[in-house]
Amino acid sequence: SAVISQKPSRDICQRGTSLTIQCQVDSQVTMMFWYRQQPGQSLTLIATANQGSEATYESGFVIDKFPISRPNLTFSTLTVSNLSPEDSSIYLCSADQGPAPEAFFGQGTRLTVV
Amino acid sequence: AQSVAQPEDQVNVAEGNPLTVKCTYSVSGNPYLFWYVQYPNRGLQFLLKYITGDNLVKGSYGFEAEFNKSQTSFHLKKPSALVSDSALYFCAVIHQGSFQKLVFGTGTRLLVSP
Repeated sequence: SAVISQKPSRDICQRGTSLTIQCQVDSQVTMMFWYRQQPGQSLTLIATANQGSEATYESGFVIDKFPISRPNLTFSTLTVSNLSPEDSSIYLCSADQGPAPEAFFGQGTRLTVV
Repeated sequence: AQSVAQPEDQVNVAEGNPLTVKCTYSVSGNPYLFWYVQYPNRGLQFLLKYITGDNLVKGSYGFEAEFNKSQTSFHLKKPSALVSDSALYFCAVIHQGSFQKLVFGTGTRLLVSP
């Protein structure tokens, strides 16, 4: 299975600023996904990132707040903009494995907004 | 819409006893079901999946799950629990249209006491 690395693993940010999270996969993948896990909650899909096209956002998530880049087949970034305390969450990226149906996840980025 | 339900917020079991973590699903079309585990400060780790075939699916770390179509359930089981199994367990179903986009249940915290 692919190894997925996320950076940073955690950060504390001031409200009103932005945080960019990087996700690196050790092999080429077609689709990458970004999820949010709010404190004590389940995971919610934010968007799907395909190389060479704009990300597809799920209901309730917008590009202005969560801009995503996917410059190549091994890398993606998620930016969480104009931070507020409600954005304090764990953000996880995942990637498809081609023929295998299961997705694999990075270790997550724990964001705290103060 | 695809959904899964995990009716128990927490399951407590003594080490050496069998454990069951419950999951029921609601899907249109064929159910593709997954279990993931999340240890503290770690990302999600894939445990097992049901796509088709045998109703009893074996996965990592001695876990297995039983797919029951008539009861629309996919309960996670292990014959003998370990203290190290204590973690947060998520059941997931494929989001319509893509294998790797997942809809997660609310999670069940498993606590194995020595």
